[in-house]
Amino acid sequence: NAGVTQTPKFQVLKTGQSMTLQCAQDMNHNSMYWYRQDPGMGLRLIYYSASEGTTDKGEVPNGYNVSRLNKREFSLRLESAAPSQTSVYFCASRAWASEGETQYFGPGTRLLVL
Amino acid sequence: AQSVTQPDIHITVSEGASLELRCNYSYGATPYLFWYVQSPGQGLQLLLKYFSGDTLVQGIKGFEAEFKRSQSSFNLRKPSVHWSDAAEYFCAVGAGGNKLVFGAGTILRVKS
Repeated sequence: NAGVTQTPKFQVLKTGQSMTLQCAQDMNHNSMYWYRQDPGMGLRLIYYSASEGTTDKGEVPNGYNVSRLNKREFSLRLESAAPSQTSVYFCASRAWASEGETQYFGPGTRLLVL
Repeated sequence: AQSVTQPDIHITVSEGASLELRCNYSYGATPYLFWYVQSPGQGLQLLLKYFSGDTLVQGIKGFEAEFKRSQSSFNLRKPSVHWSDAAEYFCAVGAGGNKLVFGAGTILRVKS
């Protein structure tokens, strides 16, 4: 049981390049999330997917697109990277049980856009 | 809109001393509240959560938090801090629609 996995761990891009961040979870969760973390700003939600086949914008969606490929996988795409997208990106999946909900986080992808 | 305020950006405590990290939230309904910890270069790990019932909740690593509705607070406490507790701590509120809203975080430094 690997939990939430993310690839790559690190990436350096030039302005205007594109890339896709991959996320997979093996906990059979319906909901998945993409956050970005910037110093002094906590985590901000980029996009989320409440269930397979659905996606919705979060707080900071501009410049990003997502795909919920299947129940396990949720990818984040930067079509034309900008220096403002330099950040640490976290994927999470959500469990719901009688004792409440919990989001489980991946280890993060550190992205530098030059 | 929902929001979370963590008033302290940095806190330094001596090893063995007690710790309290503050968290205030704004949310119209009964909140779901969470504390996560992030060690350097790592992802976030859930310490504890409040969903309903007892307002004093126990978590992992000896942490506890108390939900005070009248003060809109969910402060995190530990009676005796260990050097390994040095990390960044995030408070979050369940914002409905499957979403969490996070505070900006508090960085804990532990002096030996």
